[in-house]
Amino acid sequence: GQQLNQSPQSMFIQEGEDVSMNCTSSSIFNTWLWYKQDPGEGPVLLIALYKAGELTSNGRLTAQFGITRKDSFLNISASIPSDVGIYFCAGTVNSGGSNYKLTFGKGTLLTVNP
Amino acid sequence: SQTIHQWPATLVQPVGSPLSLECTVEGTSNPNLYWYRQAAGRGLQLLFYSVGIGQISSEVPQNLSASRPQDRQFILSSKKLLLSDSGFYLCAWSRLGGEETQYFGPGTRLLVL
Repeated sequence: GQQLNQSPQSMFIQEGEDVSMNCTSSSIFNTWLWYKQDPGEGPVLLIALYKAGELTSNGRLTAQFGITRKDSFLNISASIPSDVGIYFCAGTVNSGGSNYKLTFGKGTLLTVNP
Repeated sequence: SQTIHQWPATLVQPVGSPLSLECTVEGTSNPNLYWYRQAAGRGLQLLFYSVGIGQISSEVPQNLSASRPQDRQFILSSKKLLLSDSGFYLCAWSRLGGEETQYFGPGTRLLVL
């Protein structure tokens, strides 16, 4: 099946720093999604990308759908303590009637030191 | 707006006991529904998905089963829990008709002792 390689696995940064994380795959994806999960809660959708090359922002967050359709990155600018959590990438491959199944990366654990 | 609920939030059960976790969605009709398990270590594993009432697809062989008795209700069950069933169970929904974006519930923490 499809696999997503998400990196880095974890990051320790100082408040105010910028953050960058990415996901890559050997398969072509037709959707990329980025989620954030706080401890003990369900993942919350941050950004959804539907077109190759698409660059979308949500406040201090920016994500891009790679032009090859095999990768995506998420940037967080001027990090704050509440950015702490696990960030997941997810995507769907163009598999006709099975578009409703997502493939998830293993997550990036972000720690922000005040 | 759409909301998704899960209960209970936390559950501690002995090995061999039955299980029933419930998920309901409000504010939408005919959603696709999903059950995931998240073990310590973060990865999300898709367990079941449903595209309609009574339609259940299983992704992995396991000790669990799922049912969808109503359009916006999804239930995860087991007749006899195993220690390995411990984990964080997440329900999610997406719109019918090809939209891939999934929205997650708050989760149920299950500890089997």
